[in-house]
Amino acid sequence: QVQLQESGPGLVKPSQTLSLTCTVSGGSISSGSYYWSWIRQPAGKGLDWIGHIDTSGSTNYNPSLKSRVTISLDTSKNQFSLKLSSVTAADTAVYYCARGSRGTYYDSWGQGTLVTVSS
Amino acid sequence: DIQLTQSPSFLSASVGDRVTITCRASQGISSYLAWYQQKPGKAPKLLISAASALQSGVPSRFSGSGSGTEFTLTIASLQPEDFAAYYCQQLITYPITFGQGTRLEIK
Repeated sequence: QVQLQESGPGLVKPSQTLSLTCTVSGGSISSGSYYWSWIRQPAGKGLDWIGHIDTSGSTNYNPSLKSRVTISLDTSKNQFSLKLSSVTAADTAVYYCARGSRGTYYDSWGQGTLVTVSS
Repeated sequence: DIQLTQSPSFLSASVGDRVTITCRASQGISSYLAWYQQKPGKAPKLLISAASALQSGVPSRFSGSGSGTEFTLTIASLQPEDFAAYYCQQLITYPITFGQGTRLEIK
């Protein structure tokens, strides 16, 4: 049973870069046909897809965030990461990492981590 | 972007009720639709993929149907643990999008 766990700062200043890491256990991040994904949820609101990276390293990002987002894989640590630059208060949300299988059905999720953008 | 509109946004029901949530897509998405359940403070849980395929371990009182632009999630007989938020998601094209959610509350 694969498990995912987000980690990173809970507070980021405006205009800085948000950096989060998702550690995957119970399976190799470099095997299988999966999409390692980031999804966020502002408080009291719905789910917003940020983007994903597949096991070959190919990425796909939400156009609304594309100029600010980078998702990368670190197969040596069995982790993948999110960087979101030039953050504003609108980026305050719970950030989830998730595994997309059989396309992008998200069958495994991290517990989520709250990131607040504030000075 | 493909927009998914769920109705209703809020639903009040009792244990034992049969409830149906609808998800309408702004353009045809074949059967590339998933349903998730989210409880407060928790990550979403995948219930149904490909519009109607129940995930392993999900109770059979949950069912999904539809194709094209209109989809439904039905809970045959509500149990106390079913009171949660439900989201649909399309994956036929990027960006992947979710419905705005339906909050199911106890009457």
